[in-house]
Amino acid sequence: DQQVKQNSPSLSVQEGRISILNCDYTNSMFDYFLWYKKYPAEGPTFLISISSIKDKNEDGRFTVFLNKSAKHLSLHIVPSQPGDSAVYFCAAGDRRGNEKLTFGTGTRLTIIP
Amino acid sequence: EAGVVQSPRYKIIEKKQPVAFWCNPISGHNTLYWYLQNLGQGPELLIRYENEEAVDDSQLPKDRFSAERLKGVDSTLKIQPAELGDSAVYLCASSTGRASDTQYFGPGTRLTVL
Repeated sequence: DQQVKQNSPSLSVQEGRISILNCDYTNSMFDYFLWYKKYPAEGPTFLISISSIKDKNEDGRFTVFLNKSAKHLSLHIVPSQPGDSAVYFCAAGDRRGNEKLTFGTGTRLTIIP
Repeated sequence: EAGVVQSPRYKIIEKKQPVAFWCNPISGHNTLYWYLQNLGQGPELLIRYENEEAVDDSQLPKDRFSAERLKGVDSTLKIQPAELGDSAVYLCASSTGRASDTQYFGPGTRLTVL
C-alpha cells in the first residue's frame, strides 16, 4: 500500500519558468511533510518542510503548499534553474506516532536551458 | 560541520557472501536510521536507533540482516548471506531525535549482488 504517491515520474521545465511537483498521501495521521532533492550518487538532501497546521511554507525560490482536505501537497520552484535538475522525493511522517518517514517514489525534474 | 559518512560507497559481492556497511552520523545526532532504496523507489526504513537502542526494527528482515550501534555513535548494518534481491542502495541518516527534526542523509552504499 503506497501511502505517499508521486504520480509523475518525470517533469521537464524551461529555465526561468515555474516547476510544480505534486504529491498525494492517504494516511490522515501524517502531520508533517518534507521534500528532499537527490542528485546522482548522492544521498537525499533536505529541501523544505511543512507542518499540518500550516498550508504554505516558503524558503527562497521554494514554496510548499499543503491541502489537507485533498491530502495533497505540492512543491513550487520559481524561477527554475539548471541546478534544480534532480530527483525530488516527497516524504510524510506522524510525529505523534513512530516518527517514521514514508517516502514517495520520486519525480525526476529536468530544467531545460 | 561534517555530514553523515558512509563506507564503502560501492560494493560488489557474489550471492551467499556476507557484507557490512558502516555509518558515522553527524556529531551530536542521537537518532540514526538505515534505509533501503531500490531502483526507481523512495527510501524505505529498515531500522531506527535512539542512542544504542533499536526503537523500530519492524522492517528489518531479521533472518539475514542485522545491525548494531554499540556506543550510540557509529553503526554497522550486515547482511549474511546476501541474495540477488539485496542489490540496492543502503542509506544512513541521522537526526537530533526531536520529533520535528530533519533527517540528514549520507551518500549511501550501492550494493551489487552477482
